[in-house]
Amino acid sequence: GAVVSQHPSRVICKSGTSVKIECRSLDFQATTMFWYRQFPKQSLMLMATSNEGSKATYEQGVEKDKFLINHASLTLSTLTVTSAHPEDSSFYICSAPDQRTQETQYFGPGTRLLVL
Amino acid sequence: AQSVTQLGSHVSVSEGALVLLRCNYSSSVPPYLFWYVQYPNQGLQLLLKYTTGATLVKGINGFEAEFKKSETSFHLTKPSAHMSDAAEYFCAVSKTSGTYKYIFGTGTRLKVLA
Repeated sequence: GAVVSQHPSRVICKSGTSVKIECRSLDFQATTMFWYRQFPKQSLMLMATSNEGSKATYEQGVEKDKFLINHASLTLSTLTVTSAHPEDSSFYICSAPDQRTQETQYFGPGTRLLVL
Repeated sequence: AQSVTQLGSHVSVSEGALVLLRCNYSSSVPPYLFWYVQYPNQGLQLLLKYTTGATLVKGINGFEAEFKKSETSFHLTKPSAHMSDAAEYFCAVSKTSGTYKYIFGTGTRLKVLA
């Protein structure tokens, strides 16, 4: 199946700094990618839909100025957590839909963010 | 609005026993349905999905699920559990057109006892 990568896999940062997480579709193109947040032992919550060439669509309650999304190319979307605080610590996962069967999503391995 | 309910946040079965993970959904129109598995500190892997056609869907690793519209259910089963099946399982729904945003259930952690 298709592969989605994320970088970094783990990041620790100080409170107040910004952190960028990359999501890449390695062997297919993705005009749309999705960003999820997962708290420990909880489900995935959709944060936003990343759209290549246009603005991201954020879910209700997600601060777009806090979580900046840029879909720079057909294989890369980035999520920047700006001015991170300890409550932003979480597991962030991206996904990209299959080119043929759009309803199937391929998930990245996730990025664990710890804000001290 | 769509929603997903997974009954039982933790399920324990003995190795070789039947695995049954429950998923019920709520949707104004029949949705697409998915089961994903997540191993510790990893992303999600698709086990199986229902879109159209046969309501009994077979997936990877011996898992299968049956879409029952009358019961709004999509329970996941496996006849014989293996130690390697221990993981977190998520049921998800999406609309059948447009942007296929997923709504996930809260997940069920499967423990397999030797």
